[in-house]
Amino acid sequence: GNSVTQMEGPVTLSEEAFLTINCTYTATGYPSLFWYVQYPGEGLQLLLKATKADDKGSNKGFEATYRKETTSFHLEKGSVQVSDSAVYFCALKYSSASKIIFGSGTRLSIRP
Amino acid sequence: EAGVAQSPRYKIIEKRQSVAFWCNPISGHATLYWYQQILGQGPKLLIQFQNNGVVDDSQLPKDRFSAERLKGVDSTLKIQPAKLEDSAVYLCASSLEGGSSGNTIYFGEGSWLTVV
Repeated sequence: GNSVTQMEGPVTLSEEAFLTINCTYTATGYPSLFWYVQYPGEGLQLLLKATKADDKGSNKGFEATYRKETTSFHLEKGSVQVSDSAVYFCALKYSSASKIIFGSGTRLSIRP
Repeated sequence: EAGVAQSPRYKIIEKRQSVAFWCNPISGHATLYWYQQILGQGPKLLIQFQNNGVVDDSQLPKDRFSAERLKGVDSTLKIQPAKLEDSAVYLCASSLEGGSSGNTIYFGEGSWLTVV
């Protein structure tokens, strides 16, 4: 069935470090891929998305490229800030009417 | 644009009691979802509505959970009787109908339930 696997956390980095959070998926067809972020005490917010192969989603300095050949959608940021501390969820959606399927989340902590 | 509204934000109940959560989606959004997020896990879909019809309730524990969306707008999720393992955040979300699979799903802030 359709599923999302993302690297386990927690991930702890120093400010200005380079970030990669790995995400791979299993899906029939060609799903849309998403990264959602959840700040402490808040709901899920869409961070970025990509709807077809080779698309690159970007927002707030974060980027992720839809790689069909490796079924991956890794999240990257060149220089993280303390304010990026949150839980990040990779997700997929395989049709306009379907649910969104989430990975288990990766907690990111940034040290000043 | 107003977001997805949920209430109450926090609820503590004893096991075997009942609880109800309310959700008001973004205006014009035909699709409404209820997700359960247990601490340390990703959200899991409980039920999905398209207008006032159920699209997917395959993971809803129907012996104790129920949900309705009578007029195709607001929705309520009820748990009766609650168990300790129901302690979680209940997330309501909505999205536009139709279009591509890239339609963004917008989430509310969640209703945090603790069963003691």
